[in-house]
Amino acid sequence: NAGVTQTPKFQVLKTGQSMTLQCAQDMNHNSMYWYRQDPGMGLRLIYYSASEGTTDKGEVPNGYNVSRLNKREFSLRLESAAPSQTSVYFCASSEGRDTGELFFGEGSRLTVL
Amino acid sequence: GQSLEQPSEVTAVEGAIVQINCTYQTSGFYGLSWYQQHDGGAPTFLSYNALDGLEETGRFSSFLSRSDSYGYLLLQELQMKDSASYFCAVPYSSASKIIFGSGTRLSIRP
Repeated sequence: NAGVTQTPKFQVLKTGQSMTLQCAQDMNHNSMYWYRQDPGMGLRLIYYSASEGTTDKGEVPNGYNVSRLNKREFSLRLESAAPSQTSVYFCASSEGRDTGELFFGEGSRLTVL
Repeated sequence: GQSLEQPSEVTAVEGAIVQINCTYQTSGFYGLSWYQQHDGGAPTFLSYNALDGLEETGRFSSFLSRSDSYGYLLLQELQMKDSASYFCAVPYSSASKIIFGSGTRLSIRP
């Protein structure tokens, strides 16, 4: 049982390049999330998907787009990367029934030069 | 708007008890969660309080007072492996939109 799987784990981009972070969960969860975490900081919500077919903005959505491809997969796209987007990105999922419990992937470390 | 306030750092001695507080302001409240994160790792879920009172899980307990918009995480019999960052989190405006506090870094001395 893999839980939440993110790819890639590490990525270096140049300013202006684009890339997509992939996330998949095998727990049949309804809700999925993308967070970013800067050094020494908390997690900030970028986008979330409460259920298959829906996506909503979080606290810091600018510069990102998401796609809830199906119930298992939720991708995060940076169309034109900026140095300010250097961060660790975490994907998470939950049952979505007010259990308060998120299951996190291992994180994707992105550096934009 | 929404906000979650928790101390940035706490230091304690091995074997002791430590309390990490969290106060919140949200639009619509569903419950308060706590997560642990070791350096370089992913956050892991510790507890969730939807109702007032104390929830105990082994050495860790979590408390919620909805009337005071306040909760805390209590760690007993501290071990060196408990050195980590601890985050409180709440659903904001809907049960699915979960936001986090900035975290409390717990350092444990022998």
